[in-house]
Amino acid sequence: KNEVEQSPQNLTAQEGEFITINCSYSVGISALHWLQQHPGGGIVSLFMLSSGKKKHGRLIATINIQEKHSSLHITASHPRDSAVYICAVFTGNQFYFGTGTSLTVIP
Amino acid sequence: DTAVSQTPKYLVTQMGNDKSIKCEQNLGHDTMYWYKQDSKKFLKIMFSYNNKELIINETVPNRFSPKSPDKAHLNLHINSLELGDSAVYFCASSLGTSGVNEQFFGPGTRLTVL
Repeated sequence: KNEVEQSPQNLTAQEGEFITINCSYSVGISALHWLQQHPGGGIVSLFMLSSGKKKHGRLIATINIQEKHSSLHITASHPRDSAVYICAVFTGNQFYFGTGTSLTVIP
Repeated sequence: DTAVSQTPKYLVTQMGNDKSIKCEQNLGHDTMYWYKQDSKKFLKIMFSYNNKELIINETVPNRFSPKSPDKAHLNLHINSLELGDSAVYFCASSLGTSGVNEQFFGPGTRLTVL
């Protein structure tokens, strides 16, 4: 069993929909990262969280340390949001990665 | 003014060869990383260096050796290449201590071993 589980694995949404991607982990962490990998392969860091909630534009990330769970929300989704979203956790000396959520937003 | 750059972008080579991938960051970051993304798109960390000192060294074959000549560079040397080494390799960097700051990724190097 992977230390980091993401759901769903694949997600198709209509433009404008509110999207939620979930990440659950089984280890104690110092930080949780949300990454975005574009169809062309480039990787961008979206958020680094150790507690609470962060917002950047239409993206919101939350983390519940007690429940070992994080969510990434996209409001008013757009076709350019189509990408793979990867959750990663850092324990203090190790990284664990989820297998990613592939999001397709249809115009 | 590229933040994290990698060369080459593509690398095609024969089994048994030795090759290097270079990474440079101009962000003034203290920590640099190497990641491997396999054909199933699963991302895995290989190494992390902080101020030229090895911090994270995941279980990778010792054919892989990172070298950090200075804080802005972390090169990856691979000896005796094998078919299973075919993957995309990403370099990244971050401020401060490994793992707890936002990371900036290079564009990736696609390695194909024939």
